[in-house]
Amino acid sequence: AQKVTQAQTEISVVEKEDVTLDCVYETRDTTYYLFWYKQPPSGELVFLIRRNSFDEQNEISGRYSWNFQKSTSSFNFTITASQVVDSAVYFCALSEGSYSGAGSYQLTFGKGTKLSVIP
Amino acid sequence: EPEVTQTPSHQVTQMGQEVILRCVPISNHLYFYWYRQILGQKVEFLVSFYNNEISEKSEIFDDQFSVERPDGSNFTLKIRSTKLEDSAMYFCASRAGQATEAFFGQGTRLTVV
Repeated sequence: AQKVTQAQTEISVVEKEDVTLDCVYETRDTTYYLFWYKQPPSGELVFLIRRNSFDEQNEISGRYSWNFQKSTSSFNFTITASQVVDSAVYFCALSEGSYSGAGSYQLTFGKGTKLSVIP
Repeated sequence: EPEVTQTPSHQVTQMGQEVILRCVPISNHLYFYWYRQILGQKVEFLVSFYNNEISEKSEIFDDQFSVERPDGSNFTLKIRSTKLEDSAMYFCASRAGQATEAFFGQGTRLTVV
């Protein structure tokens, strides 16, 4: 069964500090997809990034970067020079490619990490 | 930019009443989902819908729940007889394919009193 663990429940940083959010996943599938979503205080779920299991290249998008390591089943997310607007709950999620029910490919979410950026 | 829309944004209902939560997924998407998030907790999968039928459902999705895609655009979640513990944010999502991201609606906050 697929599982996502976000061990950090809450993190507080001072503005301009860098912060890394950890995500560890479990899956028996060889084809799978990993995601990060942001949930600001307004409540919606905002897609940030998708990674497939065959692409271990790290990605950078502005102040955001992601480190995918299959050897440790981790998909960590780093925010550089954090800003107050980064304050949100961040969810890591996993979708299996083969073992999911046909026509499902449902996402399994971690419990989320609440990030507070203090001015 | 296409988006998933949900109505209403907030619904208050009395215990035992039926509620229907409505969603309009992105038009060319093939996979549709309902998730729920009890306040302060993680996002939990309820049901997936593909090719006009349920493809997978979780243990939460018991006989009180049903989904429909009646007209090719709307995707509804019905709770037949609401319980206090059904109070949560309900998210609708859609995906174009298995290798794509899921786009979520803004959610419907259901409060059962």
